[in-house]
Amino acid sequence: RKEVEQDPGPFNVPEGATVAFNCTYSNSASQSFFWYRQDCRKEPKLLMSVYSSGNEDGRFTAQLNRASQYISLLIRDSKLSDSATYLCVVSLLTGGGNKLTFGTGTQLKVEL
Amino acid sequence: NAGVTQTPKFRILKIGQSMTLQCTQDMNHNYMYWYRQDPGMGLKLIYYSVGAGITDKGEVPNGYNVSRSTTEDFPLRLELAAPSQTSVYFCASRPLAGGRADTQYFGPGTRLTVL
Repeated sequence: RKEVEQDPGPFNVPEGATVAFNCTYSNSASQSFFWYRQDCRKEPKLLMSVYSSGNEDGRFTAQLNRASQYISLLIRDSKLSDSATYLCVVSLLTGGGNKLTFGTGTQLKVEL
Repeated sequence: NAGVTQTPKFRILKIGQSMTLQCTQDMNHNYMYWYRQDPGMGLKLIYYSVGAGITDKGEVPNGYNVSRSTTEDFPLRLELAAPSQTSVYFCASRPLAGGRADTQYFGPGTRLTVL
């Protein structure tokens, strides 16, 4: 089983749609969770951290279910500029600091 | 404040050649990382450093070497380049502590092709 699993997509949605991405992780000792955004041929950039209580940032809502080892990202009112690959990232504290494990990403294409 | 910078942006190597990928950060971050990203794959950790003079292997260190003589610089050395090292290489850094200590900041990447 992969450490972090995501549906690769692509998700093709019309502008204004709501879209949800899911992610599962295998190591129950994982401590911190993130969604990163990666545009084509660019570096990953932090979109938002994910907390057990759930958190929202504008049109983006992230949820964490530690019991099920499941993370989600909901994007409301999709914009063309949301087209990107969304990486689910899990952090585990090791002797060398936090170790980030990246999912392979879910590709989103928002269309007119 | 430039953040994390990487040079070169692109490079084509012949099999057996060597090169150094440069990475510099101006945020005084203790931790620095090198990742590679193959098409359709997640980022894989090559090496990391918790401070000047301290480095350690990540998940895929074979064929690479690193050094960390200063807080700012973390070069990645490829010896005897192989086609399997064709990839995009990202350098990242993060602070030791503080509110965003879990967050890694990435450089723009170096696209390397080995022919």
